[in-house]
Amino acid sequence: QVQLQESGPGLVRPSQTLSLTCTVSGGSMSSGGYYWNWIRQPAGKGLEWIGRIYSGGSTNYNPSLESRVTISVDTSKDQFSLILSSVTASDTAIYYCARAGICTNGVCYNWFAPWGRGTLVTVSS
Amino acid sequence: DIVVTQSPDSLAVSLGERATINCKSSQTVFYSSTSKNYVAWYQQKPGHPPELLIYWASVRESGVPDRFSGSGSGTDFTLTISGLQAEDAAVYYCQQYYSLPYTFGQGTKLEIK
Repeated sequence: QVQLQESGPGLVRPSQTLSLTCTVSGGSMSSGGYYWNWIRQPAGKGLEWIGRIYSGGSTNYNPSLESRVTISVDTSKDQFSLILSSVTASDTAIYYCARAGICTNGVCYNWFAPWGRGTLVTVSS
Repeated sequence: DIVVTQSPDSLAVSLGERATINCKSSQTVFYSSTSKNYVAWYQQKPGHPPELLIYWASVRESGVPDRFSGSGSGTDFTLTISGLQAEDAAVYYCQQYYSLPYTFGQGTKLEIK
């Protein structure tokens, strides 16, 4: 079964750039049929969808973060990445990667499953 | 953006009883062309990522016990957990995937008495 694992620095300085990678195992990203997503959760709070990428490279971002977010994919490594620039303390959160299905013939399979275990990123000087 | 609001924020229910969690979207998430409601429900336990319980508002994910059920259409949805067990203590989230950006409810914390 497909598994996802986030990796990256746990501490980022304010105004710097947050960079995370999600590695997919148990399946090939290049086979298509899925969107690869980033979602975050501040401690003790709810979930915020950050954005997604298709294996072909097309992206969609949450407008609330769009000016600071870039998601990229490397299907040869079965990895996709998140870059969030100009971070502040409000970007401190657990960051999850998750898979979602695509829409086919008007029917959408865009729920999130599976999820990675998450990685805590703290923005602090 | 579609705003998703859950109620209540928390509830405590006795072992073996039934818990009901409500989810309301600020606009319809029903696609008439497919007759499907684009709502999912997740369970999150402390220190773990959310896990998918239900999609299309009422379809249980494989492996999810049948005491979990989802219902509703349009803008109003319900997650019902019957015959509560101790392991059902968690935070539950609903999510709409009708339109981007996908949005979640604020979560409902379920405590087992």
